[in-house]
Amino acid sequence: EVQLVESGGGLVQPGGSLKLSCAASGFTFSGSGMHWVRQASGKGLEWVGRIRSKANSYATAYAASVKGRFTISRDDSKNTAYLQMNSLKTEDTAVYYCIRRYCSGGSCFSDYWGQGTLVTVSS
Amino acid sequence: QSVLTQPPSASGTPGQRVTISCSGSSSNIGSNTVNWFQQLPGTAPTLLIYSHNQRPSGVPDRFSDSKSGTSASLAISGLQSEDEADYYCAAWDDSLNALLFGGGTKLTVL
Repeated sequence: EVQLVESGGGLVQPGGSLKLSCAASGFTFSGSGMHWVRQASGKGLEWVGRIRSKANSYATAYAASVKGRFTISRDDSKNTAYLQMNSLKTEDTAVYYCIRRYCSGGSCFSDYWGQGTLVTVSS
Repeated sequence: QSVLTQPPSASGTPGQRVTISCSGSSSNIGSNTVNWFQQLPGTAPTLLIYSHNQRPSGVPDRFSDSKSGTSASLAISGLQSEDEADYYCAAWDDSLNALLFGGGTKLTVL
């Protein structure tokens, strides 16, 4: 059974930091790209960033809204991806999902999603 | 403001066929796979369909997709009450080097 389990969410003050984890099982984590997507309450989905596999040099990319503040990393030995969030702002308040994105036969798709973890930035 | 444009709402009666559109540009829909996601109330999104009717296991063939140029669409035939949900399109953008989502379409089954 495929599982993506996020953890590390919580309440943090503006300007603070938080590190989210995404523990994966049931698929070949090391060969998969891992993305983070967030959703503010009552709003749509917003892509945060991604980290590619070792075969793709662990390349990272970020949304303009988080670039320079958020960092995505991974530990293939632990089948875990991370999202380090610094200089948090109130507008970063959202449910954060980790997702597996896989490419095969010329098509790329985001087939596995975690249940999400809530990050609240408030004083 | 989303770079992929979807109508905010759609509706239909049971048994009807409804379509949801997703408009983009040559750097995203025009050159990459479009994914469609379904988000039921209070749950995480799930992959519904991609790349011309590729469906994950368990997704009924009432759901179909198509793409033409820089636009894509999701069609749901034989509409059922359980289809009431939010639907999102997504595609990678080669210029922005980012995954783009549409703003989402709330489907109501009347």
